[in-house]
Amino acid sequence: AQKVTQAQTEISVVEKEDVTLDCVYETRDTTYYLFWYKQPPSGELVFLIRRNSFDEQNEISGRYSWNFQKSTSSFNFTITASQVVDSAVYFCALSEGAAGANSKLTFGKGITLSVRP
Amino acid sequence: AAGVIQSPRHLIKEKRETATLKCYPIPRHDTVYWYQQGPGQDPQFLISFYEKMQSDKGSIPDRFSAQQFSDYHSELNMSSLELGDSALYFCASSRNPGGGSSYEQYFGPGTRLTVT
Repeated sequence: AQKVTQAQTEISVVEKEDVTLDCVYETRDTTYYLFWYKQPPSGELVFLIRRNSFDEQNEISGRYSWNFQKSTSSFNFTITASQVVDSAVYFCALSEGAAGANSKLTFGKGITLSVRP
Repeated sequence: AAGVIQSPRHLIKEKRETATLKCYPIPRHDTVYWYQQGPGQDPQFLISFYEKMQSDKGSIPDRFSAQQFSDYHSELNMSSLELGDSALYFCASSRNPGGGSSYEQYFGPGTRLTVT
């Protein structure tokens, strides 16, 4: 069975600090996909990134970067120079490719990030 | 760019009533998913459809049913509503690239259902 663990529940930082959100996953499949979603106070779920199990290359998009390490089953997300607008709940999610295309997402419990001015 | 459309955005029902939530996927997306997010919880998968056929089923109560229509929109029907059904219901859509791959799911704004 697939499982996503986000051990941090709440993180509070001051604006311009860097912050890393941790994500650890469990799956028996060799083909799987990892995602990060942002849920701001308005409630919508915003897609941030998708990474497949065969691509361990780290990715950077502006102030966001992701570190995927299969050896530790982790897919961590770092926000550099955080801003107040980054305040949201961040979910890490997993889908198993072997179960067929477009498999359901299994979410972690989410991390509430508060960025103070 | 077009996004997933959900209606209504807010719905208030009494216990034992029925509710129908609608979802219009992004154009050319062939897969629709439904998720339920309780207060302070993570989204939980309910059910999905690919090309109008049910493709997967999660922890969806027997009181709920869903279908995808010929125009790819989907409806989630909920009967005998209970207080515990109060939640944010998300619809998501994706495009099937085939070959066991998985494209990202784009979520609609959600329908907030309150059962009193």
